[in-house]
Amino acid sequence: NAGVTQTPKFQVLKTGQSMTLQCAQDMNHEYMSWYRQDPGMGLRLIHYSVGAGITDQGEVPNGYNVSRSTTEDFPLRLLSAAPSQTSVYFCASSYSGGQTSEQFFGPGTRLTVL
Amino acid sequence: QQPVQSPQAVILREGEDAVINCSSSKALYSVHWYRQKHGEAPVFLMILLKGGEQKGHEKISASFNEKKQQSSLYLTASQLSYSGTYFCGAPHTGGFKTIFGAGTRLFVKA
Repeated sequence: NAGVTQTPKFQVLKTGQSMTLQCAQDMNHEYMSWYRQDPGMGLRLIHYSVGAGITDQGEVPNGYNVSRSTTEDFPLRLLSAAPSQTSVYFCASSYSGGQTSEQFFGPGTRLTVL
Repeated sequence: QQPVQSPQAVILREGEDAVINCSSSKALYSVHWYRQKHGEAPVFLMILLKGGEQKGHEKISASFNEKKQQSSLYLTASQLSYSGTYFCGAPHTGGFKTIFGAGTRLFVKA
């Protein structure tokens, strides 16, 4: 099993550009989520999904879109990149989400917006 | 609201003990602990599901006091490999939103 994979590993964007961060998992997990990590802020939840076709907002959803057309994939779209979106982005998945299920994190995407 | 972790950072010598605390202003039904080494992804340590429950992972254990809405992570006889940032996470009552604290940076030196 590859676990949770993310592409790209690094990305530099100019303000106003759009892009999609890719996330895939091969563990047949229903629950997937996106976090951003900034110094001193910990992991902040952007969006999450409890299954194909079902998504919901997390703590910091503004400026990001998600969709979940398959169980395996959960891409994160930046609509119009801003310097404030410079961060490390982690995708995670778990069997069922919530109280009893551990999350498996991908290796992260380091994004810089100029 | 984000769980509050304390201390923000701690420096230990090998063999010393440490305690990391996590508290919430909202009711906690479970607490998740993760460790992240520098430049890597967070890795799961343990989940505590019941009030007063204690669990262990190698020489790392944790307790969960549901009434006080807090959890503590105990690192005993710390090793160099324990260095990293420790996060506590609290799933919301609906179960699907896990909100993490800001983290506690732990540095163990020889």
